[in-house]
Amino acid sequence: DAGITQSPRYKITETGRQVTLMCHQTWSHSYMFWYRQDLGHGLRLIYYSAAADITDKGEVPDGYVVSRSKTENFPLTLESATRSQTSVYFCASKVGHSYEQYFGPGTRLTVT
Amino acid sequence: DQQVKQNSPSLSVQEGRISILNCDYTNSMFDYFLWYKKYPAEGPTFLISISSIKDKNEDGRFTVFLNKSAKHLSLHIVPSQPGDSAVYFCAASLLSTASKLTFGTGTRLQVTL
Repeated sequence: DAGITQSPRYKITETGRQVTLMCHQTWSHSYMFWYRQDLGHGLRLIYYSAAADITDKGEVPDGYVVSRSKTENFPLTLESATRSQTSVYFCASKVGHSYEQYFGPGTRLTVT
Repeated sequence: DQQVKQNSPSLSVQEGRISILNCDYTNSMFDYFLWYKKYPAEGPTFLISISSIKDKNEDGRFTVFLNKSAKHLSLHIVPSQPGDSAVYFCAASLLSTASKLTFGTGTRLQVTL
């Protein structure tokens, strides 16, 4: 299917576990982004990537790791999950010259 | 420090009336502004945008107004419809290759019958 997809859509994990959230886009957009949405904070940028093998920190990167070996994939890893990382995570992508970002459906992550 | 603020967490409007959603920003270097709409269990979808060189942009029932001197933008929806009930986020961007977006906290709009 064309577009941007995220998996899993829902995930429950325990404190201290490693968990990886997947993001895949079929548009060959150069830029990809990870956000978290929390009540009272809106969407906050975690990491972004300008191209394969190029990543940079956003506003709230602590506790997260990203990689981008292929243009279409941008996984987000929580190396040792904490309860404060309970959130809804959104992946987004855009073409290099535009402002508009296209969002995936989100992953709701609960850390117990 | 919240650079983009939406001070009204919620808004209720009757069907057919005008909905006005407000957004304030603190960074005068922002040069592009966007509004996104979000339904429950879905990702945000782009609605309308405006460049800092304009003061108004219109798309059907949706109009965005920008007041640079006040660092304020607003989204007008006329007439409001029940399907407009959603959370609306404003976002701002600085001109750069990445053009990262800074989002507000969102306003939940409920359009009642």
